[in-house]
Amino acid sequence: TQLLEQSPQFLSIQEGENLTVYCNSSSVFSSLQWYRQEPGEGPVLLVTVVTGGEVKKLKRLTFQFGDARKDSSLHITAAQPGDTGLYLCAGVIYITPTSGTYKYIFGTGTRLKVLA
Amino acid sequence: NAGVTQTPKFQVLKTGQSMTLQCAQDMNHEYMSWYRQDPGMGLRLIHYSVGAGITDQGEVPNGYNVSRSTTEDFPLRLLSAAPSQTSVYFCASTQDVVLFGWYTFGSGTRLTVV
Repeated sequence: TQLLEQSPQFLSIQEGENLTVYCNSSSVFSSLQWYRQEPGEGPVLLVTVVTGGEVKKLKRLTFQFGDARKDSSLHITAAQPGDTGLYLCAGVIYITPTSGTYKYIFGTGTRLKVLA
Repeated sequence: NAGVTQTPKFQVLKTGQSMTLQCAQDMNHEYMSWYRQDPGMGLRLIHYSVGAGITDQGEVPNGYNVSRSTTEDFPLRLLSAAPSQTSVYFCASTQDVVLFGWYTFGSGTRLTVV
């Protein structure tokens, strides 16, 4: 069973604090995505990473893909109430690389609340 | 705005009733999927389609049917609703998940079965 575990599950912080969310798997990903989901809405893509060791920045958000492409992290600097939401990592893993059979799996999610 | 449109937004069914959740996308995406989202369970794949006329089962297909007669539409049918199908349902699409690696999601349908 391919699992994509996120930690922490829940995070409640004050405005202005920094935080890091982790996404870990025993499988190698051909690409990995981070989404943010707000209440009553579907997940919205934040970033996609493809190369091991890749770092991408989106304003106050920094995303890193592990060298072995099995893990990723999302770091938020100076969190704001607008960052509140459910953060999901997801990615493509190959079940049988030779046949091209793949699976797209989602992480368990990190629910972030930023208090003003 | 281009995207994935789901209807209805909310629905209450009685046990045993059937219904169809509608999903349409206007991005000419080949891949479409239905997920359900439950607390503590994450997003679980129900059915998916890699193109018009082609559908396949995901990890939790029991009690649901799909069809894909056009590129744009991918309806999900609940055959005989059960309380265990109370959930939030999301339709998502992508041009090619392997090449592009991400999905565009609809805003969801919150279904309650009583």
